[in-house]
Amino acid sequence: DTAVSQTPKYLVTQMGNDKSIKCEQNLGHDTMYWYKQDSKKFLKIMFSYNNKELIINETVPNRFSPKSPDKAHLNLHINSLELGDSAVYFCASSQGTVNNEKLFFGSGTQLSVL
Amino acid sequence: QKEVEQNSGPLSVPEGAIASLNCTYSDRGSQSFFWYRQYSGKSPELIMFIYSNGDKEDGRFTAQLNKASQYVSLLIRDSQPSDSATYLCAVNMEDFGNEKLTFGTGTRLTIIP
Repeated sequence: DTAVSQTPKYLVTQMGNDKSIKCEQNLGHDTMYWYKQDSKKFLKIMFSYNNKELIINETVPNRFSPKSPDKAHLNLHINSLELGDSAVYFCASSQGTVNNEKLFFGSGTQLSVL
Repeated sequence: QKEVEQNSGPLSVPEGAIASLNCTYSDRGSQSFFWYRQYSGKSPELIMFIYSNGDKEDGRFTAQLNKASQYVSLLIRDSQPSDSATYLCAVNMEDFGNEKLTFGTGTRLTIIP
């Protein structure tokens, strides 16, 4: 069983569209994250949830809205997609909130906005 | 802006030699330091973590931490072609009361057979 699974793996869409990426973890972890990795491999945190509660919200356009229906799921909805949103989006989870713990990453979603 | 800096490379090392990867960070209060390995097209995976000054060894990997110099490094002994990947340094930093993991831009390592 995959520990952290996200779908879809690839997402190609037109500018202005709205899209969602789903993430689920079966590790029993309390904390989940969304990271964005740009073409230069820079991995930057976007959001962090602990037990469905938002604890980190980086300077991200409000077109990006995370939703955590339960602690095993963290979805990312993006409105009015722009060219600059093209990147790989990684979901991750960890046992606690303090970042001295191992992050488990999903396989990533390659988003291409045309 | 709290930062983590790495030389982006590419760093080319002959097979069997020692690969040395370096990382500096800006937040003096950081306590936890990690090295993630990312193969092309794959997700990052943790290979080492270190919390105390000095060296920490795990198999062919050694992490070195010097908090006074705000410097952390990763040594890979007896480098293998399978070690070819991008290595991401990550540092735990406090930001407005929340701790978050800040990644460097990564060093691309190529092991030459």
